[in-house]
Amino acid sequence: QKEVEQDPGPLSVPEGAIVSLNCTYSNSAFQYFMWYRQYSRKGPELLMYTYSSGNKEDGRFTAQVDKSSKYISLFIRDSQPSDSATYLCAMSWSGGYQKVTFGTGTKLQVIP
Amino acid sequence: GAVVSQHPSRVICKSGTSVKIECRSLDFQATTMFWYRQFPKQSLMLMATSNEGSKATYEQGVEKDKFLINHASLTLSTLTVTSAHPEDSSFYICSARAGTGGVETQYFGPGTRLLVL
Repeated sequence: QKEVEQDPGPLSVPEGAIVSLNCTYSNSAFQYFMWYRQYSRKGPELLMYTYSSGNKEDGRFTAQVDKSSKYISLFIRDSQPSDSATYLCAMSWSGGYQKVTFGTGTKLQVIP
Repeated sequence: GAVVSQHPSRVICKSGTSVKIECRSLDFQATTMFWYRQFPKQSLMLMATSNEGSKATYEQGVEKDKFLINHASLTLSTLTVTSAHPEDSSFYICSARAGTGGVETQYFGPGTRLLVL
């Protein structure tokens, strides 16, 4: 069993839709949860960073962490074609650098 | 914002040759740099962590004699793939951490696509 599971997609949605991206994990020691956006042939860019359980909102993006279910989500409201990218979830035991474990990424396409 | 560059962006080489990839933090000093490898449809896998002026720490299963890492300055780390073989073909991504911050201060380079023929 992989430590982090993420549906690779692809996920296609019309412009303006609400997008829900999810990851599950098996290691209960994870405390820090991140979402990265990666455009084709580019490096990942940090979108959201949360500690422990709860919600965090930044503009059109909302990250949710449910540690009891070992489940994290990223919601994108009013999706735009420019949101088309691969979204990687990632998690770490510690905020100070410990090994970061990434999901495989979900490829999202927002159709105009 | 913090910028990390990689050079080259793409390289094609013959089997048995060595390839050097550079990772630079352009507008900040990076005491720690990380090298990842990403195969198609797979997640980023950490290969090694390097601190300026000291030997790199390699993840289990990564051959340190094959993937030579040099972190010569606070703005430059290099990864040399020695005697490259077709199975080394992958997307190599570096990241650099600004200061002693946590994961949120880790910035990724654009990646280098290596194709070994």
